[in-house]
Amino acid sequence: EAGVTQSPTHLIKTRGQQATLRCSPISGHTSVYWYQQALGLGLQFLLWYDEGEERNRGNFPPRFSGRQFPNYSSELNVNALELEDSALYLCASSYYLNSNQPQHFGDGTRLSIL
Amino acid sequence: DQQVKQNSPSLSVQEGRISILNCDYTNSMFDYFLWYKKYPAEGPTFLISISSIKDKNEDGRFTVFLNKSAKHLSLHIVPSQPGDSAVYFCAARERGNNAGNMLTFGGGTRLMVKP
Repeated sequence: EAGVTQSPTHLIKTRGQQATLRCSPISGHTSVYWYQQALGLGLQFLLWYDEGEERNRGNFPPRFSGRQFPNYSSELNVNALELEDSALYLCASSYYLNSNQPQHFGDGTRLSIL
Repeated sequence: DQQVKQNSPSLSVQEGRISILNCDYTNSMFDYFLWYKKYPAEGPTFLISISSIKDKNEDGRFTVFLNKSAKHLSLHIVPSQPGDSAVYFCAARERGNNAGNMLTFGGGTRLMVKP
């Protein structure tokens, strides 16, 4: 069974640009979660998508957005990039509700803002 | 407001001994707790979990203990091996449909197991 895959592995941008990060969940998982891990910090919840809808978002500005496609893959878009957006962005997938099944993570996209 | 806290940023133990990693939480609505292990340049890997209706769950060398009254959980690794050296994250899920399987993570503890 293929795990969660993320692309690209690394992304280098400059301030003010836009970044698009991609995620393919494990087959059968309908929920996709995005997390940000800034250097030396824990994982901060960004966004949760299920069945194509945004279900919840963390305490991040609106320039962080995304979408989920009919095949359950997802994109995270970050507009007007700032230096502090430099971080590891992790995608996870799971079944939807309360089946006490863990989220499974991809290896992340390292976003560097110059 | 950190709802999940791992107060020890690092822990060093000798190979073969027990490693105990601790985690505290404040949200009474958390009903499912997980531990993840993370190596550099990789995503977190699920290790073990526990439901709030239990106080202990064991899987091989890994045991998680939950003390609901103290809002505290711990991960025991026995015996510790050099390959266990990684950052360990505690995570918690809140009860309710709006939460789905959304997780709140602690800041992580770096475990170093010395040969």
